[in-house]
Formats: sequence, structure tokens, C-alpha cells
Amino acid sequence: AQSVTQLDSQVPVFEEAPVELRCNYSSSVSVYLFWYVQYPNQGLQLLLKYLSGSTLVKGINGFEAEFNKSQTSFHLRKPSVHISDTAEYFCAVSRETSYDKVIFGPGTSLSVIP
Amino acid sequence: DGGITQSPKYLFRKEGQNVTLSCEQNLNHDAMYWYRQDPGQGLRLIYYSQIVNDFQKGDIAEGYSVSREKKESFPLTVTSAQKNPTAFYLCASSILSGRAKNIQYFGAGTRLSVL
Repeated sequence: AQSVTQLDSQVPVFEEAPVELRCNYSSSVSVYLFWYVQYPNQGLQLLLKYLSGSTLVKGINGFEAEFNKSQTSFHLRKPSVHISDTAEYFCAVSRETSYDKVIFGPGTSLSVIP
Repeated sequence: DGGITQSPKYLFRKEGQNVTLSCEQNLNHDAMYWYRQDPGQGLRLIYYSQIVNDFQKGDIAEGYSVSREKKESFPLTVTSAQKNPTAFYLCASSILSGRAKNIQYFGAGTRLSVL
């Protein structure tokens, strides 16, 4: 079975500073990886996805993530955050080989400080 | 615009009462899902359905029921057997094949509280 760990439950960062949100997964088979963002009292929105190919994936709002198979990680980065990036971020994993349930991590709350 | 519509946005349940949360999608997706979200616990899968008239239990199905009579609709009933129903409920959908499979699209959620 797959599982997802997000090492930081809360990450405060000053506006215009860089940020990295960490995600590690475990799986015995090849996986698809996702990052979703949730603004207060809203549903989740897909930020980016890794399906195959280049390990550096670019998403919306200036975010990017790097798939590292040897370290089983998929960390999310942004070089300069804005107040509007304040939200909950979820890492998720599913098996590549067939339709499968998506397993979500517990989430990381990003707070951007003016 | 295509998307997923959840209603109502807020819902209150009295003791011993069943309540039903609505989820409708016009994305022509085969699969639909219900998640429960509690603070600090991420999303937990309640039920999912890959085809009309068929559905499977997720990790926390006890106290909940669903139906899938139409491809577009996947209502969730929170029964009186669910003793701690206060949570944020999210509905999602996805396609089942191709490179975009397993990418889930979410509704805006329903917040359920107990009176």
C-alpha cells in the first residue's frame, strides 16, 4: 500500500522569501504524484502532477516540484512567495499501473507573513 | 463551465437525523469520490464509485451511505449511526483511463455541524 508523509504541519515564511514544502512517499510500485492547494473553506485545486518523464515539474502560480525516486520524495518549491499563497497544501500519490485510489498526505499549512 | 457542484455549503444535523449532501458533476467523469476532512488529518476516503449503480467502501464508510443512479450524481447520506459527523465533506471526480487518470477534481465542499 502507498502512504504519504508531509514532514511539516505548519510553515511560516516571510513574503518574497523562498519556500519548500516537503513530501515523502512509500510504495512498492511506480507512482503518480500530485500537489494540491486548498484555500480556506474551499475544495482542493491541482497545483502540479508528476506522471512520467522529466523529474522537475512546473505547476500553476509559480510552483514547481522535483521527483526524486531514490529518496522517494516530491518536495514543492517556490522561489518567492506572495500573501495569496497562504493556504493548505496536500501531497498525494497513486499507483501508476492502473486506476487506483489517491492517497493524500495530512497537509502543510503555509502562512505568508507580510 | 464544467465542474463539480456541492450543496448545501453549510448543513446542520440534529441528533438522530439523517442528512444528505449533494454532489453533481458535468465533466463526464466516470469515477466519483467522497472524502471527509478533519483539522490536521488530511482527507479520508468515505466511498467511491467507478460506474453507475456500483460503489465501494473507502477507509471510513461506517455511518455513511451513497447511491450512484446517474453518472452525474453521487449523493452522500450521513446517517444517525455516524456519531461524530462534524467535518468538512469534499466530493471529487476523475476519469479512469489515459494519462489524466487519477487526477481528481474537487467541489467546494459542504461543512456539516451537529446542533
